Amino acid sequence: EDQVTQSPEALRLQEGESSSLNCSYTVSGLRGLFWYRQDPGKGPEFLFTLYSAGEEKEKERLKATLTKKESFLHITAPKPEDSATYLCAVGGGSYIPTFGRGTSLIVHP
Amino acid sequence: ETGVTQTPRHLVMGMTNKKSLKCEQHLGHNAMYWYKQSAKKPLELMFVYNFKEQTENNSVPSRFSPECPNSSHLFLHLHTLQPEDSALYLCASSQDADSPLHFGNGTRLTVT
Repeated sequence: EDQVTQSPEALRLQEGESSSLNCSYTVSGLRGLFWYRQDPGKGPEFLFTLYSAGEEKEKERLKATLTKKESFLHITAPKPEDSATYLCAVGGGSYIPTFGRGTSLIVHP
Repeated sequence: ETGVTQTPRHLVMGMTNKKSLKCEQHLGHNAMYWYKQSAKKPLELMFVYNFKEQTENNSVPSRFSPECPNSSHLFLHLHTLQPEDSALYLCASSQDADSPLHFGNGTRLTVT
């Protein structure tokens, strides 16, 4: 059974204080690891797909990395507008991605 | 514009009512999904349609009934719901099994 564990559950940062979110996974045959951002009252918004260990993707202040057991979402010099819940999911080639519970990030000005 | 549009955004219904949620995608994707999102829980997959054929029914109670008339439209018919069914219901689409999901903004359902 595929499993995804995200940590921490919640994270509070000061503006400009860089940090990382963790997504640990077990899957039989990884076909893709996905990061999403979800704002309150909205659906998740797709950020990145990573397919193989060693791969990295960047978008503005966000950088996602992947190993064989986990993925990190690094947030460099965050701003208050980066506050959101960040979701990680893994795909095993079926139409049933497995989602983690998410990390709720709050960035204080 | 998310490419996936859900209506209504908010719905309050009694336990004896019948209502439907609607989802439409303009992305040309082949698969559509219904998810339930409750507080403090991971996203729960309810139904998956691939090329209009239902491929997954994740042990969902029969008071939830999906309908996929074509690859762009998806409905969730609701009847005799329970208060614990109150949640955010999200529709999503994807190009194929290895592609990321594109979500709508959901319907916030309250069952009284």
